[in-house]
Amino acid sequence: DTEVTQTPKHLVMGMTNKKSLKCEQHMGHRAMYWYKQKAKKPPELMFVYSYEKLSINESVPSRFSPECPNSSLLNLHLHALQPEDSALYLCASSALLAGIGETQYFGPGTRLLVL
Amino acid sequence: QQQVKQSPQSLIVQKGGISIINCAYENTAFDYFPWYQQFPGKGPALLIAIRPDVSEKKEGRFTISFNKSAKQFSLHIMDSQPGDSATYFCAAGSNQGGKLIFGQGTELSVKP
Repeated sequence: DTEVTQTPKHLVMGMTNKKSLKCEQHMGHRAMYWYKQKAKKPPELMFVYSYEKLSINESVPSRFSPECPNSSLLNLHLHALQPEDSALYLCASSALLAGIGETQYFGPGTRLLVL
Repeated sequence: QQQVKQSPQSLIVQKGGISIINCAYENTAFDYFPWYQQFPGKGPALLIAIRPDVSEKKEGRFTISFNKSAKQFSLHIMDSQPGDSATYFCAAGSNQGGKLIFGQGTELSVKP
């Protein structure tokens, strides 16, 4: 099973709301990622967790807060977002860090609209 | 120096033709070069990847050509099919950073 699941598929939120995105994988992978993707653009790395510890934070605004409760789960907590944060949020996982040559498996994404 | 430059931005090919997408990089520390394919409404999926110790890798209709001295690599899709219509991203990685650097993407349309 090479599946990364993400919930919800779609999310509409106001600028004062608090919501969370969830990601799950059961491949035994030890690296998990959050990406943001705008239309017709490449995925933009936000956070990397390696062995459940935050290893990379790409200077993401504090209104995005990641959490890795265990090796299979990754959450992204959202608070006080701006309309420009509307995008497709992708979760991915790999056995080890992707940059060293590990295949990165992406989920289908959560399409977020901030009103 | 961390950039990966990808061209063309969009490509239209007739069914049965060859699609060619090119990427260039500057950072000589990169040693892993994957290509990802993304269909609308889906996450990217690994298509094929290469290490710089080989100059070419072929998997079915998909071939990566790698030129280490020129710091360039390309994806060739032989006998292109309408089902290949998607956005293709090249990427580069190294064990120094642990993350992938993506190119800007190429939107491929294969006309029947």
